[in-house]
Amino acid sequence: EVQLLESGGGFVQPGGSLRLSCAASGFTFASYAVCWVRQAPGKGLEWVSSISGSGGNTYYADSVKGRFTISRDNSKSTLFLQMNSLRAEDTAVYYCAKGSHGNYAYWGQGTLVTVSS
Amino acid sequence: QSALTQPPSASGSPGQSVTISCTGTSSDVGGYNYVSWYQQHPGKAPKLMIYEVNKRPSGVPDRFSGSRSGNTASLTVSGLQAEDESDYYCSSYAGNKNLFGGGTKLTVL
Repeated sequence: EVQLLESGGGFVQPGGSLRLSCAASGFTFASYAVCWVRQAPGKGLEWVSSISGSGGNTYYADSVKGRFTISRDNSKSTLFLQMNSLRAEDTAVYYCAKGSHGNYAYWGQGTLVTVSS
Repeated sequence: QSALTQPPSASGSPGQSVTISCTGTSSDVGGYNYVSWYQQHPGKAPKLMIYEVNKRPSGVPDRFSGSRSGNTASLTVSGLQAEDESDYYCSSYAGNKNLFGGGTKLTVL
């Protein structure tokens, strides 16, 4: 059974940093692209970033480019999102998802990031 | 403002059919065969209902169908049931990035 489990969310002040993790199981992690999608409170879904199976290709939404870094450790089946220079508008539930080209068949339960002073 | 345009709400009575539209451009919806639809119940993670315009993942009822005409994709739910009441989001690949619509709240009357 495919499982994705996010962690690392929490409360941080504007300008601060946070690192999210997503532990994957139930599939050959290195063979699949994975991504981060966020959802601000009461708002819609927003794609944040994707990474290829090897980690060699990364893609970002314009809203986070230069501030967020996606990475993965295939030996530990874990996806990461390093978030720097956080802003109030980054407040959201962050989901990790398995798939590519918008075809995300498996999602984690999400982790809440709150950016506030 | 979302990159893909969806109506904020839609409704239908049990047993009826309802169609939700998703309008983009030739650089996303109209340019790639990678349009997906997600169902999201409150407090839950999204669930993939349609992928690659009109394909259904295993386990999704055949009451759900997808189509596309030009730069507009559509999700049709036939034989509406109470459990179909939810938020629905379209998504499209757009060349090294992915876009979502603003979401449509489907109400079963």
